Amino acid sequence: AQKITQTQPGMFVQEKEAVTLDCTYDTSDPSYGLFWYKQPSSGEMIFLIYQGSYDQQNATEGRYSLNFQKARKSANLVISASQLGDSAMYFCAMREYNNAGNMLTFGGGTRLMVKP
Amino acid sequence: DAGVTQSPTHLIKTRGQQVTLRCSPKSGHDTVSWYQQALGQGPQFIFQYYEEEERQRGNFPDRFSGHQFPNYSSELNVNALLLGDSALYLCASSLTGTGVAGELFFGEGSRLTVL
Repeated sequence: AQKITQTQPGMFVQEKEAVTLDCTYDTSDPSYGLFWYKQPSSGEMIFLIYQGSYDQQNATEGRYSLNFQKARKSANLVISASQLGDSAMYFCAMREYNNAGNMLTFGGGTRLMVKP
Repeated sequence: DAGVTQSPTHLIKTRGQQVTLRCSPKSGHDTVSWYQQALGQGPQFIFQYYEEEERQRGNFPDRFSGHQFPNYSSELNVNALLLGDSALYLCASSLTGTGVAGELFFGEGSRLTVL
């Protein structure tokens, strides 16, 4: 079974509007972390935001916020006031505590395109 | 403070050949992980090195091997290349003991094309 599912292969958003990128996950580990990364065409994975499974509040980092619904196992990324530079691939990823190392499991990604 | 650096950035090989990719972790980091990202897909975990030993391995054949040096840098070796090995290979470094919240820092990757 897929551990991380991103159901939107591609999304368009108008510049200055907000956009939500969906992510659902599957784990039986009570302790886990959820990450969102941005990957521009250069290839580098850029860390955006982190949410721990025991965090009571939704994470926020500048224009990025994470809509964490634990019971539904969803961790959607919200980007407010979209900018042209936000056009990129976005990946949701999870790390489970019971993993021996720091392995991240990634979803298939969503390509976001910001229209001027 | 240099981030994660990878070399080479691009390379082309033919089927059956062998390739070595290199990674220098972010300063202060002691753990290196390698990921394979096929075109249009998310990264897949290959393996992780800590204290010069392979600590964890994903679902990849033995043709994929690695090494970590005393200065924490790492190499990824792929033998008997197949067309399906064409991908972006990402190196990520981290500091062990930081738990689930520990951030991974990625390099820009090595793009391998197998003809």
